[in-house]
Amino acid sequence: AQKITQTQPGMFVQEKEAVTLDCTYDTSDPSYGLFWYKQPSSGEMIFLIYQGSYDQQNATEGRYSLNFQKARKSANLVISASQLGDSAMYFCAMREGRETSYDKVIFGPGTSLSVIP
Amino acid sequence: DAGVTQSPTHLIKTRGQQVTLRCSPKSGHDTVSWYQQALGQGPQFIFQYYEEEERQRGNFPDRFSGHQFPNYSSELNVNALLLGDSALYLCASSFPRGIRSYNEQFFGPGTRLTVL
Repeated sequence: AQKITQTQPGMFVQEKEAVTLDCTYDTSDPSYGLFWYKQPSSGEMIFLIYQGSYDQQNATEGRYSLNFQKARKSANLVISASQLGDSAMYFCAMREGRETSYDKVIFGPGTSLSVIP
Repeated sequence: DAGVTQSPTHLIKTRGQQVTLRCSPKSGHDTVSWYQQALGQGPQFIFQYYEEEERQRGNFPDRFSGHQFPNYSSELNVNALLLGDSALYLCASSFPRGIRSYNEQFFGPGTRLTVL
């Protein structure tokens, strides 16, 4: 069963506009963590933002914010004021279980974001 | 401060051959994870090494094996290569006892393996 679902294979957004990338997850573990990564065409994965299952507030990192709806098992990434450099693949990922010395991270299929000038 | 480095950048092999990929973690990191990313897909977890032992493993056959050295660097070995092994292989390092509340993984640039 797919643990991470990203239903938008491709998205377009006008420069300077905000965009929301969807992510839903499936887990029965009460303790987990959710990540968003950006992968430009160069291939390197860049960490953007993290949300713990017990975090009371939605995570924010600069222009990135995570809309965490625990009951819906949803962790959407919001990018405000899009820039041309935001064009890339975006992956939602999840770690299950309590934070330990070693984590297995499961990635979704990704969403390709294109920012239009 | 050097980030995660991987070698080689690109590699071409033929079916049945064996390959070794190398990864040096970010300075101060002691945990290394390996991922396989097929074209157009998300990375798939292969395994993770901590304290020179394999701590977690994904759904990959025994043809995929690894090693971690005392300096925390790591190797990924793939035997009896198949066409389906063609992918970008990503290495990620982390430091579990960092100040953050989560184990942030830093990724290397990857090794692009092509099996002919």
